[in-house]
Amino acid sequence: NAGVTQTPKFRVLKTGQSMTLLCAQDMNHEYMYWYRQDPGMGLRLIHYSVGEGTTAKGEVPDGYNVSRLKKQNFLLGLESAAPSQTSVYFCASIGRGRVEQFFGPGTRLTVL
Amino acid sequence: AQTVTQSQPEMSVQEAETVTLSCTYDTSENNYYLFWYKQPPSRQMILVIRQEAYKQQNATENRFSVNFQKAAKSFSLKISDSQLGDTAMYFCAFMNAGGTSYGKLTFGQGTILTVHP
Repeated sequence: NAGVTQTPKFRVLKTGQSMTLLCAQDMNHEYMYWYRQDPGMGLRLIHYSVGEGTTAKGEVPDGYNVSRLKKQNFLLGLESAAPSQTSVYFCASIGRGRVEQFFGPGTRLTVL
Repeated sequence: AQTVTQSQPEMSVQEAETVTLSCTYDTSENNYYLFWYKQPPSRQMILVIRQEAYKQQNATENRFSVNFQKAAKSFSLKISDSQLGDTAMYFCAFMNAGGTSYGKLTFGQGTILTVHP
């Protein structure tokens, strides 16, 4: 089992560019989440999904879009990157009725 | 909405000593889970310990234990016999046990713990 993987691990963008972060899990988990981590603020929820084909907004959704076309994948898109989106992004998943959430290794994104 | 507050941005301790990290939270829910996560320089989020709100007994995992005070909404982490490998950022987190908020974690701001030799 690879657990939760994230692609890419690092990325540098220029303002206005777009990109997609891929999260994949091989644990057949129903729920998946995207968080961002900024200094002094802990992790904050961007978007989440409770099942294939469903997505919902979290605490800080502006500037991001997501899709969950397959149960094992959860994509986070930035259509027009801004310097305020410079952050470390974590994907996580949890199985229905379970308690422990499994995290990916994170993606460090810098927007210049 | 839930909030989680960690009031200690940084803590330090000598190797083999004991240190306590503080966490308070606010919620109107009665059934929930509380967690402590460790984030070493590798950035990986590692679950240290968890506590179910319906359990009165404090959780313990080897050198790690919690002091869960439900009425006071307090959830502190005690690390005994501190080791150099305990040096990391520690996050306190809250999760509802059910409803539409199930699975969503609310994190505190984090506490950087440094263990000195």
